[in-house]
Amino acid sequence: GQNIDQPTEMTATEGAIVQINCTYQTSGFNGLFWYQQHAGEAPTFLSYNVLDGLEEKGRFSSFLSRSKGYSYLLLKELQMKDSASYLCAVRALNNAGNMLTFGGGTRLMVKP
Amino acid sequence: EAGVTQSPTHLIKTRGQQATLRCSPISGHTSVYWYQQALGLGLQFLLWYDEGEERNRGNFPPRFSGRQFPNYSSELNVNALELEDSALYLCASSPQGLAGETQYFGPGTRLLVL
Repeated sequence: GQNIDQPTEMTATEGAIVQINCTYQTSGFNGLFWYQQHAGEAPTFLSYNVLDGLEEKGRFSSFLSRSKGYSYLLLKELQMKDSASYLCAVRALNNAGNMLTFGGGTRLMVKP
Repeated sequence: EAGVTQSPTHLIKTRGQQATLRCSPISGHTSVYWYQQALGLGLQFLLWYDEGEERNRGNFPPRFSGRQFPNYSSELNVNALELEDSALYLCASSPQGLAGETQYFGPGTRLLVL
């Protein structure tokens, strides 16, 4: 089976930097995704890592260490609209193909 | 390019009834995934269809079923509805499940069971 852990809630200040961590245990690892989900809306794709290292995309960056089973999402220059849940999802290859398993999500509150 | 669409946006049923939820994937995508998101909880994988075949299902009872049509759209059926089935049901699509491309989500159907 798979186990994905991320903090339930985080609070940060507008303009600051926040790091959301995700740890996982899985067999057949084949990539890690981060999604953003505003309340009552569908998740939207943010980033994808399959190799170790940092992927940067504007204000958002995502890091992966496969040996440590660890990833983080870094949000810079926080804006109020960044208040949302951030979902870490691990893709693993099994007999049926690639399956995506989601963590419980981290609810980020950005305060003025 | 149109994204993943789902219908209806909201659905209210009573316990014991059946619900049918529909999903149209992004054009060119052959894989459709269904997830359940109960209030305050994470996404739980329900079903995965690719090329008209069920590829995998999550840890849900058999009263959750579905199918994929030749145009790759999909239906999720929930029989004998229970109160705890109340949730947001999300559909996602990807170009092809085996290669593992990114999944893109639709807006969801919010099901309320009374």
